[in-house]
Amino acid sequence: ETGVTQTPRHLVMGMTNKKSLKCEQHLGHNAMYWYKQSAKKPLELMFVYSLEERVENNSVPSRFSPECPNSSHLFLHLHTLQPEDSALYLCASSQERGGGGEGTSYEQYFGPGTRLTVT
Amino acid sequence: GDSVTQMEGPVTLSEEAFLTINCTYTATGYPSLFWYVQYPGEGLQLLLKATKADDKGSNKGFEATYRKETTSFHLEKGSVQVSDSAVYFCASDSSYKLIFGSGTRLLVRP
Repeated sequence: ETGVTQTPRHLVMGMTNKKSLKCEQHLGHNAMYWYKQSAKKPLELMFVYSLEERVENNSVPSRFSPECPNSSHLFLHLHTLQPEDSALYLCASSQERGGGGEGTSYEQYFGPGTRLTVT
Repeated sequence: GDSVTQMEGPVTLSEEAFLTINCTYTATGYPSLFWYVQYPGEGLQLLLKATKADDKGSNKGFEATYRKETTSFHLEKGSVQVSDSAVYFCASDSSYKLIFGSGTRLLVRP
């Protein structure tokens, strides 16, 4: 148990559906992340929120829409997905970086992931 | 840009064998370094970390030493168990995010 929960754990959706993934962290962190993990590909960082503001969007298609209403919750809204979007979607959280120097680490804590299958 | 390179897998070992998974990094500044482990069907779990040169991170019998001169952070364990079978990821922190290696699958046979 890492203190980061994700729901649902498994999701099957058609290409015309709209669904949302939810992530919640109970660690008092103020930065949250969405990653995509596909078979035989490196972990892909999709979005980063720091202090509830989006600070990175790695050229992710607009059919993925993140939302961070507060520092404890992160959503990923999905619509008109493609079969190649099938993957494990991981959420993570960490402390926001406040200018710490050498010796300061900002490890991320991951949820168990949502296994998404697009049919 | 910053990057992390780790050895290709899979690594297949017999129980009680010695494990080494190599990891090297390129970075500006002074990154912290991490090893994460992912068991089947789960998310990534932090295994150990080191925040500055010559630090040794350790946990559950695994160790890794931050070597600035060789820009390396190799993961070692003296005697692996079947339950250590998983995918291991090396990572460094850069700005506001982690840079991950591609992962190394470890399979331990009884």
